[in-house]
Amino acid sequence: EVQLLESGGGLAQPGGSLRLSCAASGFSFNTFEMTWARQAPGKGLEWVSMIRGSGDPTYYAASVRGRFTVSRDNSKSTLYLQMTSLRAEDTAVYFCVKGGWLDWWGQGTLVTVSS
Amino acid sequence: DIQVTQSPSSLSASVGDRVTITCRASQGIGILLGWYQQKPGKAPKRLIYAASSLEGGVPSRFSGSGSGTEFTLTISSLQPEDFATYYCLQHQSYPHTFGQGTKLEIK
Repeated sequence: EVQLLESGGGLAQPGGSLRLSCAASGFSFNTFEMTWARQAPGKGLEWVSMIRGSGDPTYYAASVRGRFTVSRDNSKSTLYLQMTSLRAEDTAVYFCVKGGWLDWWGQGTLVTVSS
Repeated sequence: DIQVTQSPSSLSASVGDRVTITCRASQGIGILLGWYQQKPGKAPKRLIYAASSLEGGVPSRFSGSGSGTEFTLTISSLQPEDFATYYCLQHQSYPHTFGQGTKLEIK
């Protein structure tokens, strides 16, 4: 069974940084693209970033490009999202999602950006 | 970027009703569109992929159709567990984009 377990969320100050992790199991992690999506409180879903199985190339939404970096460690079946220069509008639940077609979602981790 | 316009934004219906939700893409995306169901406090669940293919385990009352720029999700006979928010997602080009969502409520 596919499992995706996000961690690393919490409270960050504006301008600060956080790194999210997603531990994957139940599938051949290195053969799948992986995606990050987010949902601000009471709002809709937003696609954030995607990384190929090999780690390259990567893609980003305009709202996070230059501030967020997606990476992966296939030896650990783990996906990462390094978030810098955080803004209040980055406050959201961040979901780790299997595949470029977003076929299986983790339960999400909440990131709150506030002073 | 491809824009996806989803309608309606909310819908009130009764158990047993047939409902249809529409997504329109700003340019052709072939059949590279999926439909998702999200219940409060839960992660989204994919119902339909490639515009019309039903995900395993999803009831057959759900169906998807369309290609190019116009797509529909139909629920043939609403059940109590279907009241949720529905989203479409285009994954033809980057950035991938979601529709704005349709909140399906009990009348």
